[in-house]
Amino acid sequence: EPEVTQTPSHQVTQMGQEVILRCVPISNHLYFYWYRQILGQKVEFLVSFYNNEISEKSEIFDDQFSVERPDGSNFTLKIRSTKLEDSAMYFCASSWTVDEKLFFGSGTQLSVL
Amino acid sequence: LAKTTQPISMDSYEGQEVNITCSHNNIATNDYITWYQQFPSQGPRFIIQGYKTKVTNEVASLFIPADRKSSTLSLPRVSLSDTAVYYCLARGGSYIPTFGRGTSLIVHP
Repeated sequence: EPEVTQTPSHQVTQMGQEVILRCVPISNHLYFYWYRQILGQKVEFLVSFYNNEISEKSEIFDDQFSVERPDGSNFTLKIRSTKLEDSAMYFCASSWTVDEKLFFGSGTQLSVL
Repeated sequence: LAKTTQPISMDSYEGQEVNITCSHNNIATNDYITWYQQFPSQGPRFIIQGYKTKVTNEVASLFIPADRKSSTLSLPRVSLSDTAVYYCLARGGSYIPTFGRGTSLIVHP
């Protein structure tokens, strides 16, 4: 079965530092998403991306966050100045159409110290 | 957005059939019902999706009554490896898949 690949699997950073989380969605998928899950809590939607632009974003996705699809294969989430409360597991997902099932990556565990 | 309600947790034993029911009273006419499974420290994984009546695949069945205000995920003969959180999603007019708290299923030996 095709896979969504995320790197790194773990990222430790100091508060105030910038981090970039990377994802390689499934190659023929058109819709891309970032979610996050704080330990013990539910999976929260951050942003969706289609046709090289953000299509929806949640309240969590403030000016500190940005997404990019720089080269037609990678899909990145940047957090400009990390805060302690950004510590979470970040999941990338992709789908072929807007109604199709989502394929999730295995996540990046971000720890902000 | 269609709000879904599921039991917070369920317990079962190996070999038993498990049924998890989800209510989605304000589901829209063109919405599908999708179930995902999540193991600790992993991303959610698609299990099954349906619109009405019954859908079956190699891992589960999904039962949706005619009014579509609820759905039931059926896992036949569960094993220890089915211990996970199960999420029901119903897209109510928004195409953003939104996860609730899900049902934590624990399968005992």
